[in-house]
Amino acid sequence: KQEVTQIPAALSVPEGENLVLNCSFTDSAIYNLQWFRQDPGKGLTSLLLIQSSQREQTSGRLNASLDKSSGRSTLYIAASQPGDSATYLCAVRPNAGNNRKLIWGLGTSLAVNP
Amino acid sequence: DAGVIQSPRHEVTEMGQEVTLRCKPISGHNSLFWYRQTMMRGLELLIYFNNNVPIDDSGMPEDRFSAKMPNASFSTLKIQPSEPRDSAVYFCASSFGEIDEQYFGPGTRLTVT
Repeated sequence: KQEVTQIPAALSVPEGENLVLNCSFTDSAIYNLQWFRQDPGKGLTSLLLIQSSQREQTSGRLNASLDKSSGRSTLYIAASQPGDSATYLCAVRPNAGNNRKLIWGLGTSLAVNP
Repeated sequence: DAGVIQSPRHEVTEMGQEVTLRCKPISGHNSLFWYRQTMMRGLELLIYFNNNVPIDDSGMPEDRFSAKMPNASFSTLKIQPSEPRDSAVYFCASSFGEIDEQYFGPGTRLTVT
C-alpha cells in the first residue's frame, strides 16, 4: 500500500533563506508526483507536476526533484519570501490508466518571517 | 472561467440532519473529485468521477455518504444523517482529459453539532 510522508511537519525560516521540503513514498512504482500549495482557509493550488520519467521540474523560484528509486521528492524554494508562507503538500499518483486517485502527504506548514 | 465553485462555503447543522454540498467544476473538465480534509487525517479522496461516471468510491466512509454527478457541470455530496465526526472541510476539484493537474474549489467547512 502506497504511503506518502512529509518531513518536517512545520518549518519556520527567515526571509531570504533557501529551503528544502521533503516528501517520501513507500512504493517506487508511481505514475507521477505533484506538489501543491494551500493557503489558510483556501483550496489547493498545483505548483509542479513531475512525471515518473522526469527528474525535475522548475517554475520560477521553485524546483521539484524526483528520485523514484529511493522514493523521494524534494521541493526547493529559493530566496524565500513571506508570501511563500503556506502549507505545501505532495501527492503521488500510483497508476496510469483510468484511475486518477492521488495518495497525499499530510503537508509541511511553512512560515517565512520578515 | 470562475474556477471550481462550491456551495455553501460554511454549513453548521445539528446531528441527524441531512447535508448537501454542491460543486460546479470548471467548464470542459471531465474529471471531478470530492475530498475531505481534517487536521488528524489530512486530505482524503472520497469519490472520483470521470465523464460523470463514478470511478473510485472506495474512500466514501459509509452508507451515510452519497455522491451524484447528473451532468458535466454539477455534482452533489450528501450526508444523511450527519454526525459530529463528519465535521471537516470538503473540497471539490476538477481536471481535464489526461492532464493530472487538479483545480480545487475553495471548500465547504462543515460543522455538525
